[in-house]
Amino acid sequence: DAGVTQSPTHLIKTRGQHVTLRCSPISGHKSVSWYQQVLGQGPQFIFQYYEKEERGRGNFPDRFSARQFPNYSSELNVNALLLGDSALYLCASSRGWETQYFGPGTRLLVL
Amino acid sequence: AQSVTQLDSQVPVFEEAPVELRCNYSSSVSVYLFWYVQYPNQGLQLLLKYLSGSTLVKGINGFEAEFNKSQTSFHLRKPSVHISDTAEYFCAVSAQGGSEKLVFGKGTKLTVNP
Repeated sequence: DAGVTQSPTHLIKTRGQHVTLRCSPISGHKSVSWYQQVLGQGPQFIFQYYEKEERGRGNFPDRFSARQFPNYSSELNVNALLLGDSALYLCASSRGWETQYFGPGTRLLVL
Repeated sequence: AQSVTQLDSQVPVFEEAPVELRCNYSSSVSVYLFWYVQYPNQGLQLLLKYLSGSTLVKGINGFEAEFNKSQTSFHLRKPSVHISDTAEYFCAVSAQGGSEKLVFGKGTKLTVNP
């Protein structure tokens, strides 16, 4: 089976712009989580969605939002980009409990 | 809330030597424990996990870890490392019965030298 896929792989934006990142979970997985990994740090939890409903939210500003679609894929949206939003954004999927499997990430650079 | 401390930010070792990467956690509830590996410019790959049962868990690539509840530790070990084990290693916890949110440590950079 295919693993978690994310698009795009790389992205360059300027301050104030908006960005949408996409994630497709492993087949059969109903939960998607998003993490932000700043250079030199461990990933930080942003959101979790299960069966299209938000199950958890990390300590991120309202500029960050997400949604999950009926096919369990997900989008992460970030408005009014700041330089500090430059990071690797990781998506992880699971069956809804225990173990998360990560995708390759989207590397976002904000100039 | 949970927190994770990885005691060493960098660990250099020679090829074929044993290695231990240390991880301590803090939590007021029971947790699941994980080790993930990240190769340069890639996502995270699950190495092993402790959910319940035997406190010694074995993972991929010859790695193993031991859960010690009294010391709140989950150290990762490998008896003989290879050059290809050079990577960043992350310890993570999630609360049992919770939202599945993973809390990560800051990572340990393992460098295996010839």
